Amino acid sequence: QKEVEQNSGPLSVPEGAIASLNCTYSDRGSQSFFWYRQYSGKSPELIMSIYSNGDKEDGRFTAQLNKASQYVSLLIRDSQPSDSATYLCAVTPTDKLIFGTGTRLQVFP
Amino acid sequence: DAGITQSPRYKITETGRQVTLMCHQTWSHSYMFWYRQDLGHGLRLIYYSAAADITDKGEVPDGYVVSRSKTENFPLTLESATRSQTSVYFCASCRQGVTEAFFGQGTRLTVV
Repeated sequence: QKEVEQNSGPLSVPEGAIASLNCTYSDRGSQSFFWYRQYSGKSPELIMSIYSNGDKEDGRFTAQLNKASQYVSLLIRDSQPSDSATYLCAVTPTDKLIFGTGTRLQVFP
Repeated sequence: DAGITQSPRYKITETGRQVTLMCHQTWSHSYMFWYRQDLGHGLRLIYYSAAADITDKGEVPDGYVVSRSKTENFPLTLESATRSQTSVYFCASCRQGVTEAFFGQGTRLTVV
């Protein structure tokens, strides 16, 4: 079992819709959770971090964490074509930073 | 300039040769990481370091060697390159406690 699991997609949503990206993790001791965005041919860039159960909002992005279910999600409201990218979930079991395989998001006009 | 830089950006090497990828950060971050990224596998952790002179294996360490004699540098060496090590390599760093990590531009390595 991989430590961090994501659906590889692609997830296709129309412009203006809500995109929902999901991630599960296996290590219950994980304390920190991150969402990175990676455009094709570029480096990953951090878009959200979340450390406690519940929701955290930043502009059009909302991260949700449920430690009991070992589940992290990212909602993107009012999706734009510029949001088309691969979204990587990352988790910190002990002092490592482990990534999922990423979900490719396509936002079409 | 402040930040995290990798060199070289592109490298072609032959099977069996030793090659070293460099990573330098100017933030004095405690943690540094090396990942490889391949289609279908996402980012896989090769090695990481919590501080100077402290290194530990990640998910896919075989065939790689690291060192960290100074906080700002974390070189990755392929002792005898194989075609399966053709990949894009990313270095990242973050503060103590594995907080938000920042990535270098990546090194595209081709082993022929």
